[in-house]
Amino acid sequence: EVQLVESGGGLVQPGGSLRLSCAASGFTLSSFAMSWVRQAPGKGLEWVSTVSAGGRSTYYADSVKGRFTISKDNSKNTLYLQMNSLRADDTAVYYCAKWGNAFDIWGHGTMVTVSS
Amino acid sequence: EIVLTQSPGTLSLSPGERATLSCRASQSVSSSYLGWYQQKFGQAPRLLIYGASSRATGIPDRFSGSGSGTDFTLTISRLEPEDFAVYYCQQYGSSPYTFGQGTKLEIK
Repeated sequence: EVQLVESGGGLVQPGGSLRLSCAASGFTLSSFAMSWVRQAPGKGLEWVSTVSAGGRSTYYADSVKGRFTISKDNSKNTLYLQMNSLRADDTAVYYCAKWGNAFDIWGHGTMVTVSS
Repeated sequence: EIVLTQSPGTLSLSPGERATLSCRASQSVSSSYLGWYQQKFGQAPRLLIYGASSRATGIPDRFSGSGSGTDFTLTISRLEPEDFAVYYCQQYGSSPYTFGQGTKLEIK
């Protein structure tokens, strides 16, 4: 079964850092581009970042550029999102998604709360 | 950046009725890289339509997508109780891969 499981969310103070993980099963991560999408409480979906299948090309929303870094470890079949200089408006559920035909497989999400 | 505008914001219909949801792009979406997603409360989004008109795996044929360029439509031919949810369109042809603000489909 194709599955994505996120972890690493939690409560962090403004200015802090957090690393999210997304463990993939049922498919090979190296064959697909992968993305992070977030959803603030009560709000819509916001694309955050995408990494190419091989991991060499990365893309970011302006709102996170310079603060977040996407990467993948194909040997561990795991996607990451390193988040630095976190702000209150980064508070959201973060989903990882596989890019096959559009974003065709999604994880259940992990909650990140930025608050003092 | 391509801005996607969905209308209406909320659609109130009854089971068995036909639903028509609109997604308009601020500029042409390349190669019809337009997707539709359904999200129920407390759940992750689910892909319904990709490439503007192709149904994703396991999606019932009452869901259909159409359009090209800047105007796209999701149609649900006969609403089932489980179809009441929020629907998002997304363009994935050029970064940033933006989403529309969503249409809430509620029971009348």
